[in-house]
Amino acid sequence: SYELTQPPSVSVSPGQTVTITCSGDALRRKYSCWYQQKPGQSPVLVIYQDSKRPSGIPERFTGSNSGSTATLTISGTQAVDEADYYCQAWDSNTVYVFGSGTKVTVL
Amino acid sequence: QVQLQESGPGLVKPSETLSLTCTVSNGSMSSYYWAWIRQPPGKGLEWIGYIYYSGSTNYSPSLKSRVTISLDTSKNQFSLKLTSVTAADTALYYCARLRAFAHDYWGQGAMVTVSS
Repeated sequence: SYELTQPPSVSVSPGQTVTITCSGDALRRKYSCWYQQKPGQSPVLVIYQDSKRPSGIPERFTGSNSGSTATLTISGTQAVDEADYYCQAWDSNTVYVFGSGTKVTVL
Repeated sequence: QVQLQESGPGLVKPSETLSLTCTVSNGSMSSYYWAWIRQPPGKGLEWIGYIYYSGSTNYSPSLKSRVTISLDTSKNQFSLKLTSVTAADTALYYCARLRAFAHDYWGQGAMVTVSS
């Protein structure tokens, strides 16, 4: 089955830039997206189709996808960005797969 | 904007069938895919399956033998049935809308505990 690998945690200082990676075989061809989930809340879509932002998502969230790695970048990170982030991809065999999640801590 | 709300029993006995319903409001179900996702306590997200408004379905290979998703467009609802549940099926179950290969609207989630 298809798998997506994320680092368990990353930390960032307020105002700095943080990147979260998501690795999977031939991920570039699998329509990656990213969700933010804060404690006790439902996930929120922050990036879809590799790099598109839904309405209402701040411009500091950007996404890219190259080769076998998709990346979520948060520029000018704020305290409100502290959350778990999950990548997700579509695979023709497994259909939809989520990464294991990355906890972003704003120190 | 579209709103989704899960409903159903919060406690299911082992070996029995888990049943949940998702009610969609402020939007039509037409031309979209509708999905179920679950999250065990303290763990990550697991995709369960989807149903298209036409009624076609697709399920996670790991759950395919036990899952059925159905649709009632007259009530703006879709439902999940998971048979032969065990403690490993204890989770927060979310319904969501699928669009452009992403889940753009989510319900608040329904906690289901499998226990005798």
